[in-house]
Amino acid sequence: AQKVTQAQTEISVVEKEDVTLDCVYETRDTTYYLFWYKQPPSGELVFLIRRNSFDEQNEISGRYSWNFQKSTSSFNFTITASQVVDSAVYFCALTLRDNTDKLIFGTGTRLQVFP
Amino acid sequence: DTEVTQTPKHLVMGMTNKKSLKCEQHMGHRAMYWYKQKAKKPPELMFVYSYEKLSINESVPSRFSPECPNSSLLNLHLHALQPEDSALYLCASSPLGVNEKLFFGSGTQLSVL
Repeated sequence: AQKVTQAQTEISVVEKEDVTLDCVYETRDTTYYLFWYKQPPSGELVFLIRRNSFDEQNEISGRYSWNFQKSTSSFNFTITASQVVDSAVYFCALTLRDNTDKLIFGTGTRLQVFP
Repeated sequence: DTEVTQTPKHLVMGMTNKKSLKCEQHMGHRAMYWYKQKAKKPPELMFVYSYEKLSINESVPSRFSPECPNSSLLNLHLHALQPEDSALYLCASSPLGVNEKLFFGSGTQLSVL
């Protein structure tokens, strides 16, 4: 079975702190895709990153970085020097190569960044 | 234009009403999706249209009826809804399928009285 676990329900930090959101996934497939989406209070989900299972390179985009480790089935997301605008719900998600058009979401982590 | 536009943003309806939600994209995407999201929960897939044909129905009750009149437009017709159907309804599109980036609309917040 495929599953995505985001154990952190809610995280609160003060601006400029670094914060890491954890994501652990389960799948028996060798080919799969991992995603992070951000859902601000306005409601729409915003794509942040996609990784395929053969690409374990870590990625950095501005203050955002992602650590993909197949050995621990984890795809963690770090925000450096957090800002109030980072406050949102963040979803980690998984799809399979068979492209059944099903995006398996984790339960989400609500991040609150206080000034 | 890299937007998915949903209307209306808010909708209140009674259990005997008939209403429709509309979703539009002009990015040439071939896959379009309806998701339902309850408060503090992840989105749940309802329907998928691929090349204007319904490809997935996640056992959604028949009081929800999707329609894809053309490649840019997706509707969700609502009839005889229940209060538990109150939720945020999100539309999304992608170039070919879910293994690619999904573009989401900002949703319709639906309240059923």
